[in-house]
Amino acid sequence: AQSVTQLDSQVPVFEEAPVELRCNYSSSVSVYLFWYVQYPNQGLQLLLKYLSGSTLVKGINGFEAEFNKSQTSFHLRKPSVHISDTAEYFCAVTRPVGYNKLIFGAGTRLAVHP
Amino acid sequence: DVKVTQSSRYLVKRTGEKVFLECVQDMDHENMFWYRQDPGLGLRLIYFSYDVKMKEKGDIPEGYSVSREKKERFSLILESASTNQTSMYLCASRTPGGRRGSYEQYFGPGTRLTVT
Repeated sequence: AQSVTQLDSQVPVFEEAPVELRCNYSSSVSVYLFWYVQYPNQGLQLLLKYLSGSTLVKGINGFEAEFNKSQTSFHLRKPSVHISDTAEYFCAVTRPVGYNKLIFGAGTRLAVHP
Repeated sequence: DVKVTQSSRYLVKRTGEKVFLECVQDMDHENMFWYRQDPGLGLRLIYFSYDVKMKEKGDIPEGYSVSREKKERFSLILESASTNQTSMYLCASRTPGGRRGSYEQYFGPGTRLTVT
């Protein structure tokens, strides 16, 4: 079975500072990895995904993530955050076979301060 | 753009009432999902459906049932609502998997259900 651990429940950061949101997963088989963002009072929106190929994945709104198989991590980064990036971020994992249920982490609340 | 809509954004029901949450997607996706979201727990899968009239239990199906009579519509039913079912409910539909699939799930805006 797969599981996802988001290592920080809350991350406060000042505007224009860099940020990293950490995600570790456990799985005995190969996986696909995702980051979703949830703005206040909205559903989830896909930021980026890793299915195969280059381990550095670029997503929307200037975010990127790096798949590290040896460390079973998929950390999300942005070099300079904006107030509008304030949201909750979810890391998720699925297997490439079967019914592909997404397993979500508990979420990280990013709070960007002026 | 894929659109997933949910029938209500906010809902208040009394304990013991039967509650229907409706979800409609417009992208002809075969796979649809119901999650509940609670602080500190992330999203947990209640039920999913991979085709019309087909359903599979997720991780927390107790107290819930689902219905999928048409491809575009997936309903979540709380047979007898209880206060511990107060939560945010999110519906999603998914692009195909397989070799050319992207596995991306598209989410509705959510229904915040309060059971008093």
